[in-house]
Amino acid sequence: NAGVMQNPRHLVRRRGQEARLRCSPVKGHSHVYWYRQLPEEGLKFMVYLQKENIIDESGMPKERFSAEFPKEGPSILRIQQVVRGDSAAYFCASSLLSGEVSNQPQHFGDGTRLSIL
Amino acid sequence: AQSVAQPEDQVNVAEGNPLTVKCTYSVSGNPYLFWYVQYPNRGLQFLLKYITGDNLVKGSYGFEAEFNKSQTSFHLKKPSALVSDSALYFCAEGRRALTFGSGTRLQVQP
Repeated sequence: NAGVMQNPRHLVRRRGQEARLRCSPVKGHSHVYWYRQLPEEGLKFMVYLQKENIIDESGMPKERFSAEFPKEGPSILRIQQVVRGDSAAYFCASSLLSGEVSNQPQHFGDGTRLSIL
Repeated sequence: AQSVAQPEDQVNVAEGNPLTVKCTYSVSGNPYLFWYVQYPNRGLQFLLKYITGDNLVKGSYGFEAEFNKSQTSFHLKKPSALVSDSALYFCAEGRRALTFGSGTRLQVQP
């Protein structure tokens, strides 16, 4: 009964490089959420995906950020041409059903700490 | 737009004393409310939720929370604090995308 698995746990990139963050949800969960946490702040919603579909990306920056959740494999959060301000902890969460039809909570991974040099 | 407020950055309490971590919310309609705890360099662990039903919700590790509709509050409580309860606590609201408060650091002194 593995929980949400995120890798890598720590990622260091230089400005201008690309960052790829992976998230494997709890087995059987088809709903994935990405959140960003800046130092000493709460989590901010970025994007909500179901298998092969982006449901809500209202929290995603308009440029450089993208997310996918393919039919097979983990969900990927991709940040192109990273800048210093992208340094943060990125958390993935998963749920069995949408919160609109179920009261089950989201389960969180331990996050990826992204540092931009 | 919904919002969640945690008015205290830090709460200090002596071990064995009761603790309260405050949370207020602003949403249209009926709220879905959650408390999560975060330990250093870890993700968030679910403590408890309020969706409907009894206003007093019991959760993990002896924590409970009281939903108060008239005061739009959902304060987290524990009758007797442990040193191991020291962590960062987040209140959240939402059906899909969760809106989080800014967090409250709980420090339990031996």
